[in-house]
Amino acid sequence: DQQVKQNSPSLSVQEGRISILNCDYTNSMFDYFLWYKKYPAEGPTFLISISSIKDKNEDGRFTVFLNKSAKHLSLHIVPSQPGDSAVYFCAASGGLISGNTPLVFGKGTRLSVIA
Amino acid sequence: NAGVTQTPKFRILKIGQSMTLQCTQDMNHNYMYWYRQDPGMGLKLIYYSVGAGITDKGEVPNGYNVSRSTTEDFPLRLELAAPSQTSVYFCASSSSGGFRGSYEQYFGPGTRLTVT
Repeated sequence: DQQVKQNSPSLSVQEGRISILNCDYTNSMFDYFLWYKKYPAEGPTFLISISSIKDKNEDGRFTVFLNKSAKHLSLHIVPSQPGDSAVYFCAASGGLISGNTPLVFGKGTRLSVIA
Repeated sequence: NAGVTQTPKFRILKIGQSMTLQCTQDMNHNYMYWYRQDPGMGLKLIYYSVGAGITDKGEVPNGYNVSRSTTEDFPLRLELAAPSQTSVYFCASSSSGGFRGSYEQYFGPGTRLTVT
């Protein structure tokens, strides 16, 4: 049973436009969410996170939105650049309440930004 | 800082062979993790450690063993390799975190293992 779901395996976006990557979760104990970016032949790198006490967190071109009632989060990239082409993983944790707990990852969405 | 390093980068094993995947971090992180990523899938947790001498099973521990004798090192052992263990293995580490802490995990570059 997948606790973190990324239902779109891939997404193509024109350079300069907005990329929106979606993630749904089922476990109501999750209270901390992270996005990781992964290039081929490299390990995932941390991109941005949000705790359940917020509904939005912004870092430069990247914004993460959290809708707790819908158990849904999204990552917005504006404007999209060719260097953003990568696989994006959504991850969740019960860390705020339970301490540092292992992350649960979604299957990832492959973003292609077309020049 | 080298961050998290993993060796080897690639390995081909025959069925029934054993090997140890090495992982070292130089960030003085208490928490370390081993994940595997199968094609088209997310990362699945194999084992993790909250400090030297303390390890615990993750989602897919069967066929693997770990030890944590130092803060820096967290090797993963495959005793009897099987084709189902063909995967990319990632080691990661994180600090202790806390209510206002960070739960970011820092990943190594991965080990691509093929069992034939």
